[in-house]
Amino acid sequence: QKEVEQNSGPLSVPEGAIASLNCTYSDRGSQSFFWYRQYSGKSPELIMFIYSNGDKEDGRFTAQLNKASQYVSLLIRDSQPSDSATYLCAVNLDAGNMLTFGGGTRLMVKP
Amino acid sequence: GAVVSQHPSRVICKSGTSVKIECRSLDFQATTMFWYRQFPKQSLMLMATSNEGSKATYEQGVEKDKFLINHASLTLSTLTVTSAHPEDSSFYICSARGRAGAYGYTFGSGTRLTVV
Repeated sequence: QKEVEQNSGPLSVPEGAIASLNCTYSDRGSQSFFWYRQYSGKSPELIMFIYSNGDKEDGRFTAQLNKASQYVSLLIRDSQPSDSATYLCAVNLDAGNMLTFGGGTRLMVKP
Repeated sequence: GAVVSQHPSRVICKSGTSVKIECRSLDFQATTMFWYRQFPKQSLMLMATSNEGSKATYEQGVEKDKFLINHASLTLSTLTVTSAHPEDSSFYICSARGRAGAYGYTFGSGTRLTVV
């Protein structure tokens, strides 16, 4: 079983819709959770991080964490074609530890 | 915000030669540096973790004598691919983390290595 799992996609949504990206993790001791966006040929850029159960909103992005069910999700409201990218979920056990990445979900936003 | 500068962005080298990739944290002290490799259409695979002033910790299956990591200062880490071969062609990315309390992991812009 992979430590961090994501559906590889592609997830296709129309422009203006809500894109929902999901991630599950296996280690119950995981402390912090990150969402990165990666355009083709580029390095990942941090979108959001979340530590506590519940929702965290930043502009069009909302991260949702449910530690009991061991999943974290990312919602993108009013999706734009420029949001088309691969979204990577990353998890770490504590502040000093490395990040473990999921395989990424490719999102396609169609005009 | 935290910035990590990675150079070169692209490099083409001949098989058997060595290539050095540099990663610098520009506005913070990177106590820990992570080096990743990413093959096309795959996720990031951690190669090694280095803490300033100490030897790097390599992930299973990564040859430490082939991928030399130096983290001699709080702002600079280098990865040297020695005796490169075509199968080493990949996208190499560094990620830096600051002192305790700085929970972000900032990525460099990546280096596309092609070994011919």
